[in-house]
Amino acid sequence: NAGVTQTPKFRVLKTGQSMTLLCAQDMNHEYMYWYRQDPGMGLRLIHYSVGEGTTAKGEVPDGYNVSRLKKQNFLLGLESAAPSQTSVYFCASSYRASFLAKNIQYFGAGTRLSVL
Amino acid sequence: DAKTTQPPSMDCAEGRAANLPCNHSTISGNEYVYWYRQIHSQGPQYIIHGLKNNETNEMASLIITEDRKSSTLILPHATLRDTAVYYCLDARDYGGSQGNLIFGKGTKLSVKP
Repeated sequence: NAGVTQTPKFRVLKTGQSMTLLCAQDMNHEYMYWYRQDPGMGLRLIHYSVGEGTTAKGEVPDGYNVSRLKKQNFLLGLESAAPSQTSVYFCASSYRASFLAKNIQYFGAGTRLSVL
Repeated sequence: DAKTTQPPSMDCAEGRAANLPCNHSTISGNEYVYWYRQIHSQGPQYIIHGLKNNETNEMASLIITEDRKSSTLILPHATLRDTAVYYCLDARDYGGSQGNLIFGKGTKLSVKP
């Protein structure tokens, strides 16, 4: 039972380089999310998806792009990495988003990214 | 910002019960209360949720007061691996139709030998 899997776990980039973070879930969830977490801070939503082929901006989308070509995968891209994007990135998925219904989010282990 | 309030830190002896309180005084009648935790350097982990009745699962118990203004998460036999930051969320801590989680400061639980 894998749940939510993120790759890679660690990455060091130089300013201006690009990379893609992969999130895969095996729970047939509709909703997927990318968050970033900086030291001592809470989670900030970067982008999210409410289903295959759809994506939307969250709180801090600048400098990131996403794609959800398959229901089980949600990719986060950094086009031109900047030191301000040094962070821990978490992917999460859930069956539904309604706060009135059971909405449990399952998180991956995180990707630790350093941009030099 | 999160709509719940929690003590910033608590200590608990290993093997004893850890009781983590949460105040959600403005919660509405149809809004669930959720608990998550984040162990250092790991992704947040769902623990339990409830609406009105007390709940129990393999990880913890959740006691919700009759007026639903507060709740207590109980870890019956805390272990060192339960050292983490514990977050209490209610429905207003979900970002509207997006459904993203909005964590407050949480309670840092330290389980000591």
